[in-house]
Amino acid sequence: KQEVTQIPAALSVPEGENLVLNCSFTDSAIYNLQWFRQDPGKGLTSLLLIQSSQREQTSGRLNASLDKSSGRSTLYIAASQPGDSATYLCAVGGNKLVFGAGTILRVKS
Amino acid sequence: SQTIHQWPATLVQPVGSPLSLECTVEGTSNPNLYWYRQAAGRGLQLLFYSVGIGQISSEVPQNLSASRPQDRQFILSSKKLLLSDSGFYLCAWTQGGTTYEQYFGPGTRLTVT
Repeated sequence: KQEVTQIPAALSVPEGENLVLNCSFTDSAIYNLQWFRQDPGKGLTSLLLIQSSQREQTSGRLNASLDKSSGRSTLYIAASQPGDSATYLCAVGGNKLVFGAGTILRVKS
Repeated sequence: SQTIHQWPATLVQPVGSPLSLECTVEGTSNPNLYWYRQAAGRGLQLLFYSVGIGQISSEVPQNLSASRPQDRQFILSSKKLLLSDSGFYLCAWTQGGTTYEQYFGPGTRLTVT
């Protein structure tokens, strides 16, 4: 059974800092890995999707990497802004996703 | 472009009452559709998914059921709500046979009193 763990559970950083969120999964037989952002009381917004044959994806200040052999992914956020404050969720799978519990990020101005 | 709608946005229902939540997707055809629940302090739990009209797979035995009467419509129902059914219900879609990137709706906040 696939299990997804996200570390840290919560993170508070000053504005402008670069930061890394971690995601690990137990079964490396995945089709893809997806990072989401969730604002309080809202649905999930897809940030980046990495297919199993890819090593990383980039979008603006975000960069996600995937190491299937070690069962790990990282989400790198450059030059963090207060507007980045949200919960970040990692999910793995294919047709069906298994989610981690998320990392609550707070960027202080 | 594709859009996903959920309604109602919020709902307060007494224990034992019925439930019907609706999800519709615009701008695509033959999507895979999903219902998730996010309980307070817990992660997302996949409840049901559907790959076509009338085709429903249940992931967790519970007090809920799902139906897909039309290609882009997905309904979550219950005959009698329990207190434990409270939570944030999210509908999602993906285009089958592609990258399987999932897109989520705005959610329905259900409080059972």
